[in-house]
Amino acid sequence: GAGVSQTPSNKVTEKGKYVELRCDPISGHTALYWYRQSLGQGPEFLIYFQGTGAADDSGLPNDRFFAVRPEGSVSTLKIQRTERGDSAVYLCASSLGQGQPQHFGDGTRLSIL
Amino acid sequence: ELKVEQNPLFLSMQEGKNYTIYCNYSTTSDRLYWYRQDPGKSLESLFVLLSNGAVKQEGRLMASLDTKARLSTLHITAAVHDLSATYFCAVAFYGGSQGNLIFGKGTKLSVKP
Repeated sequence: GAGVSQTPSNKVTEKGKYVELRCDPISGHTALYWYRQSLGQGPEFLIYFQGTGAADDSGLPNDRFFAVRPEGSVSTLKIQRTERGDSAVYLCASSLGQGQPQHFGDGTRLSIL
Repeated sequence: ELKVEQNPLFLSMQEGKNYTIYCNYSTTSDRLYWYRQDPGKSLESLFVLLSNGAVKQEGRLMASLDTKARLSTLHITAAVHDLSATYFCAVAFYGGSQGNLIFGKGTKLSVKP
């Protein structure tokens, strides 16, 4: 596809479970970003990848959150021991490189019961 | 602390009227973005503003940037119902975070007949 693809679009799980959210960026985009958007708020930065490496993970809220991008394309955001406060829309964006416009996916709506 | 503040947060307009949304940011930035978000959807890029005095227009929307005042405006001319959405400004700070965006809380615009 032409745009950033995120799966699943919706995820409902119980408190304490482990979840994985997937992001498939636009082909050729070396930079990949994860954001989290709570209801009524703007997106908040979580982590930024340049290629395979996490260039900036300062936005991850705690050590339950982890993200990987092993081959420099698809990225997975992993959340361990989920809490109700983790409920939000998780957005992925990609760009050609640092400083280039970011293109956003439709997000994964995560609900922790 | 890096801050992006938008006002108003809520805006109810009548069709045909003009209004301006304001975006203030706290420190020097390389670029400023305006995004539109419809309910349940992702972010659609509207404008990228790169330099002081930059002005961009698309249809009934016009964005401008004053880097000295650290202020951007999004002006709506002769509003129509289709413009109803939430509008975010986002600022890129390249100090240490290598390009992630800091978003305002958004302005929820409702255009009524």
